[in-house]
Amino acid sequence: QTVVTQEPSFSVSPGGTATLTCGLSSGSVSSNHYPSWYQQTPGQAPRTLIYRTNTRSSGVPDRFSGSILGNKAALTITGAQADDESDYYCVLYMGSGILVFGGGTKLTVL
Amino acid sequence: EVQLVESGGGLVQPGGSLRLSCAASGFTFSSYWMHWVRQAPGKGLVWVSRINSDGSSTSYADSVKGRFTISRDNAKNTLYLQMNSLRAEDMAVYYCTRDLGPRGYSGYDYWGQGTLVTVSS
Repeated sequence: QTVVTQEPSFSVSPGGTATLTCGLSSGSVSSNHYPSWYQQTPGQAPRTLIYRTNTRSSGVPDRFSGSILGNKAALTITGAQADDESDYYCVLYMGSGILVFGGGTKLTVL
Repeated sequence: EVQLVESGGGLVQPGGSLRLSCAASGFTFSSYWMHWVRQAPGKGLVWVSRINSDGSSTSYADSVKGRFTISRDNAKNTLYLQMNSLRAEDMAVYYCTRDLGPRGYSGYDYWGQGTLVTVSS
């Protein structure tokens, strides 16, 4: 069974750039996996950031962007702020009606 | 305003059953694919199931296939998840989500606040 991989943790300095990735244990991620990205703070429901690889959800600042980098989907956060400190999840469409979330990345801003 | 409100969670014994509901409002429910996503305490998000707009097409994660059934009542604007043969590993907050696109895999734009299912004897 293919696993969706994410960095368990990532640190970025305030004002810096963080690129979080979403890969596959076997194979490459492409736009045909329709990657989407979600932000979650403790005790809250997830918030949608990016869908269909690179489309920002309504109200999401343009500091957040999505792309395919090499063989992975990527979420780039520029000008990192303290309130960006959250868990970030990607989800991929694997075909045959099946979607799989990555394990999530805990982003620290310090 | 789009709202998704889950209910039906609670404490159930291993092997028991529970039915979750998600009441939708603020949009044309019958036009959207809907999903259930869960999150065990302290763990990550896990996709559970999805259903198309008229209820004729469903799919499930392997971990729940054969035990859970997703359904919807478009007249009542409500999504359901019937959970049978519950196990300790099914204990989680269950979220209902609305799919963005016409084919059920575009990503989600709205999430409910979740309902907690506790499986314990």
